[in-house]
Order: sequence, then C-alpha cells, then structure tokens
Amino acid sequence: GENVEQHPSTLSVQEGDSAVIKCTYSDSASNYFPWYKQELGKRPQLIIDIRSNVGEKKDQRIAVTLNKTAKHFSLHITETQPEDSAVYFCAASKGSYQKVTFGIGTKLQVIP
Amino acid sequence: NAGVTQTPKFQVLKTGQSMTLQCAQDMNHNSMYWYRQDPGMGLRLIYYSASEGTTDKGEVPNGYNVSRLNKREFSLRLESAAPSQTSVYFCASIPTSEGEQFFGPGTRLTVL
Repeated sequence: GENVEQHPSTLSVQEGDSAVIKCTYSDSASNYFPWYKQELGKRPQLIIDIRSNVGEKKDQRIAVTLNKTAKHFSLHITETQPEDSAVYFCAASKGSYQKVTFGIGTKLQVIP
Repeated sequence: NAGVTQTPKFQVLKTGQSMTLQCAQDMNHNSMYWYRQDPGMGLRLIYYSASEGTTDKGEVPNGYNVSRLNKREFSLRLESAAPSQTSVYFCASIPTSEGEQFFGPGTRLTVL
C-alpha cells in the first residue's frame, strides 16, 4: 500500500521567515495530494491541495509543489505569522473512492 | 449545515467494555472514514466506506468494526476495548470520489 513520509517532525521559525515541509510517497498511482492544518485541540482542515497534472499551486502565502518523477511534494509558507503555529499533515490518494494515507505530521512553531 | 458530527466527545472505558462511536454528516457525501490519531503517529485509517453499503479495512482495523447505516451515518464499534485503543478518533467524509475531507470534532477515548 501507499506509504507517505513527512519531515521534519518539528519546525521552529521566526515570525516573517519561510517554512518548508517535505513529503515523499511510494505509490506512483497516487494523484491527489492534500495538506491539512490542525490547531491544538481542533479538527484537521484542508489548507491546499494539488493534483498530479499540476506542478505547483499557490494560495496567498501558501504554496505546494509536486515532483511526480521523484515522488515528492512540499508545502511552502511565506511570511509566517504566529497563527500559522499548528500541526501540518500531508497526504496522498489515488482518488476514485480510494483511501487517503497521511504523513505523521509536522509541528510548526512560529516565534514572535 | 452541521457538517460532520461525532458523539460522544469524551469517553472513559474499562478494559473489556464495548462501545460505539457515532458519526453523521448532513452534506450528502458519499465516502466516510474513521481515523485514529496518536502522538507521533499522524492520522491512521481504521475503516472507510466508499459509498453506502460498502466498507473496507484501512491500516489499523484490528479490534474495530464499522457499520454504514445509511448515507448519513457511519459508526465505529469497539467490541472489547483495550488500553492500546486509547486515542482520539476522527470521522471524516468526502463529497465525491476524491477531494477535501471534512472532519468531525473528534472523540477522545481513554481505556483504563
């Protein structure tokens, strides 16, 4: 089955700096890659996603890149703010009612 | 719309007791999922239901059973609870074959 590896497990950055979280996946048939943000004590919520026919997607301060050949994808957060502090999960899916496999999560701390 | 709801929010069980976690969604979604979340382990899929009338095992199905009662409801049952099942349980749903998963608020379960 699919295996998603995510790193780093923890990340501390100064407010205003950029943060990068990287994930690799094992199943070349995976074609949908979402990122979720989970604040302390809350439920995970989708922040951005990318499909395999796209190499990059951006939404304000958040961007995701996908390298299908290398089977890795990354989340980039620019101009980080304290409210970006949370746990971020990457995931991979083959779509078409297939199950979603999550990475172990990255705890991001933005230091004011 | 209430979105995805879960009951109960908290539960303490003794080893060997049984219980059912309830999940319901009012968004007319086809696919529903049960995850458990443990520190350092990310979100691990227990069972999922691609559509009404079907269920499939995920990564960690042992010790659990599920029922897709109708399109709205997907329940998770622990027949004989064990301390290893102490976790936070999330239910989620997807509107179509792929896309954003909408998570419920979670159930924090402790097995003594």
